[in-house]
Amino acid sequence: AQKVTQAQTEISVVEKEDVTLDCVYETRDTTYYLFWYKQPPSGELVFLIRRNSFDEQNEISGRYSWNFQKSTSSFNFTITASQVVDSAVYFCALVDTGRRALTFGSGTRLQVQP
Amino acid sequence: DAGITQSPRYKITETGRQVTLMCHQTWSHSYMFWYRQDLGHGLRLIYYSAAADITDKGEVPDGYVVSRSKTENFPLTLESATRSQTSVYFCASRDPDRATYEQYFGPGTRLTVT
Repeated sequence: AQKVTQAQTEISVVEKEDVTLDCVYETRDTTYYLFWYKQPPSGELVFLIRRNSFDEQNEISGRYSWNFQKSTSSFNFTITASQVVDSAVYFCALVDTGRRALTFGSGTRLQVQP
Repeated sequence: DAGITQSPRYKITETGRQVTLMCHQTWSHSYMFWYRQDLGHGLRLIYYSAAADITDKGEVPDGYVVSRSKTENFPLTLESATRSQTSVYFCASRDPDRATYEQYFGPGTRLTVT
């Protein structure tokens, strides 16, 4: 069975601080995809990144970076120099090739204080 | 408009009433999904459909009915609404021919059952 754990329910930081959102996953498949979505206060789901299980290279996109470690089954997300606009709920999700739907973690609410 | 739309965006209904949430996508994606979002649970799969006239249960299907007579539409019906079905409902679609497994989400429907 698949499972995604986001142990941090809520994180509060002050603007310009760096923050890391943790994601730990479980799957029996060797081929799978991991995702991060952002849900701002307006409620829509915004796709941030997709990573397949064969690509362990870390990725950086502006202030966002992702650290994928198969050895620890983790796919952590770091925001550098956080901004108030980063305040949102962030979801980590997993799909393996044997399934069709995403399995989501419970989400981490990030509050960035000015 | 191109993309995936949901209607209504907000709905208040009474316990015991039947309510249908609509989902429409313009991409002709064969896969479509319904998720519900509840605090502490992230998004959980209710039903999915691999093609017109093919549907299957997800993690939390009880109390819901789906149909898919046309590829572009995937309505979700609550036959007799209960307060526990108060939630935000997201529809999503995916193109199975693309090996990215990325799902495209609608804007969500916020349903309140009184």
